[in-house]
Order: sequence, then C-alpha cells, then structure tokens
Amino acid sequence: ETGVTQTPRHLVMGMTNKKSLKCEQHLGHNAMYWYKQSAKKPLELMFVYNFKEQTENNSVPSRFSPECPNSSHLFLHLHTLQPEDSALYLCASSQASTAGGSYEQYFGPGTRLTVT
Amino acid sequence: RKEVEQDPGPFNVPEGATVAFNCTYSNSASQSFFWYRQDCRKEPKLLMSVYSSGNEDGRFTAQLNRASQYISLLIRDSKLSDSATYLCVVKSYGQNFVFGPGTRLSVLP
Repeated sequence: ETGVTQTPRHLVMGMTNKKSLKCEQHLGHNAMYWYKQSAKKPLELMFVYNFKEQTENNSVPSRFSPECPNSSHLFLHLHTLQPEDSALYLCASSQASTAGGSYEQYFGPGTRLTVT
Repeated sequence: RKEVEQDPGPFNVPEGATVAFNCTYSNSASQSFFWYRQDCRKEPKLLMSVYSSGNEDGRFTAQLNRASQYISLLIRDSKLSDSATYLCVVKSYGQNFVFGPGTRLSVLP
C-alpha cells in the first residue's frame, strides 16, 4: 500500500544536526498527524493538522517543528534532538471531522530515528 | 481512568484457537471505533471499523456495546500470521483519535 509515504525510512543524526522528515498522502484526505512511538510503548500523538491548520500540539518540545504546506504534505523539522528522542515517527492521514464521511486513519511506514 | 483501556495481554494461543480481545472507553460521546493491528517495528494497519450492529470480516468479528462502552474483537481459527499487537481506537466528532495501549497476541505452532 502506498497511500501514505514517508521519507527517509531510517535516519541517524547527531544531537547538533538539523534534519526533516517528510510525509505525503495520496488518499485525498484533509487531516494529517505526527505520532511518536518509542520502543514497546503506545503511540503518542504529537501534532494534528486539519485543512493545513495546526489544531493540536500535544506539549511537544520546540526542537520538533511541524510544517504543513498543503493537505497532501507534512514535514517534521528536527534540531538539537536528544538521545531519548530516538523512536519510530509515524505520519497518518484521515478525513477531517468536519468533512463528514468515514474517519479511518491510515499510517505511513514510519521513519526510524536514532539520535546519537 | 485512561480514555481507552485494553486487556493487558500477552495472549499466547495455539494455532486454530479462538481468541477474544476486550476494550473499554470512557467518553460516552465517542462515535467511531476501529481495530488496528501492528506488527513488530511496523506501522499500525486498519483491521476493521466497528459498527453499531457488529460486523464480520472473514475470521474476524467486531462487536460494539454503547451502553457498556465496550468493544470486542474475536478471531476464529487463529493463524501464525495473526501474531501482532491489536490496538483499539476510538474517536469522537471533532476530537482526535485515541489509541489504546494494545494487546499482544502470539499464535503458537
């Protein structure tokens, strides 16, 4: 399935680096999400965009900076990360609640991030 | 109380067994319900939406009890490939998706 794609799939970065994660959805959805999943832990919601507007920032540190230029693309800019930020970062998309219809959420394959 | 709670697991069952997972949610305004499966080190994948009247997809049956705020997933004739973590997901209108912590299933040969 290629409905939601993410690049890169793996990323190793030092604490002083700046990198960006990219997500693209081809499902015609208008809501996009970033989640973090640390080893053997539940999903943690980070950010939500509905119709390109950020509607949720779940107390995420400022070293994570999201960007949503249009309904199909979502970025997560990373800078001065810490080793504890190492995790699987998952992007997802769905129809926005106000758009009606079904609300199934579809995930990309994730970016496995290691901070050294 | 957590918004979505699931059986803690893990469940270890032999091939061919029938296994049931339970999930409870706290928000009575919840409107949409889903089961996802997540394989180790992979993304969650939608298994099935859960409808008010209950629904079946092959060996999988989902039930919803709104009065008790309870969702279940039944897997019949379990296969080795069913081994995964099963996530219960609940959504209210205008609210975000809320994921349960998941229940891990291991189907043994």
